[in-house]
Amino acid sequence: KAGVTQTPRYLIKTRGQQVTLSCSPISGHRSVSWYQQTPGQGLQFLFEYFSETQRNKGNFPGRFSGRQFSNSRSEMNVSTLELGDSALYLCASSLRLPDKITGELFFGEGSRLTVL
Amino acid sequence: DAKTTQPNSMESNEEEPVHLPCNHSTISGTDYIHWYRQLPSQGPEYVIHGLTSNVNNRMASLAIAEDRKSSTLILHRATLRDAAVYYCIPLTGNQFYFGTGTSLTVIP
Repeated sequence: KAGVTQTPRYLIKTRGQQVTLSCSPISGHRSVSWYQQTPGQGLQFLFEYFSETQRNKGNFPGRFSGRQFSNSRSEMNVSTLELGDSALYLCASSLRLPDKITGELFFGEGSRLTVL
Repeated sequence: DAKTTQPNSMESNEEEPVHLPCNHSTISGTDYIHWYRQLPSQGPEYVIHGLTSNVNNRMASLAIAEDRKSSTLILHRATLRDAAVYYCIPLTGNQFYFGTGTSLTVIP
């Protein structure tokens, strides 16, 4: 069974640009969550998607957005990049019922973004 | 969201048991307690979770206090591969708040 796949693994952008990251969940998992990990702030929750709808959102500015497709694949976008957006962006998939997560999170290896 | 308190770091000798504590005094009655760990240069991986009773799996054991205000992850025989950051997470409102975790060093 294939794991969670994130692309690209590494990327470099400059301030003001935008970036799109992709996440393919484990087959059968319909919930996809996104996290940002930095040395100073640790792992912070960005948002969660289930059935193409955002179900939960962390405390991040509107420059951070996401979407989920009918095949459960998800993308996140960061617009007007800032130096502080340099981080490891992790995606996780899980089983879910409409009202609750029912299983553990399975993480991908992450996309490491560097903003210059 | 339920707050957690974990030691920043711990050390253990190889092949000895390790007890990793976590305080989650604001946990609600229906929040499951999850534990994840993150090895260097990898995404977090699931370790174990429970609600009220102690739980065992092939990786670890989870001991949950009777009042559910604290729990302890037990690695029965630490190996070098267990060196990682361990996160204790009460699952609240379908959100996992990872906190800063405990960095475990295993000494050969």
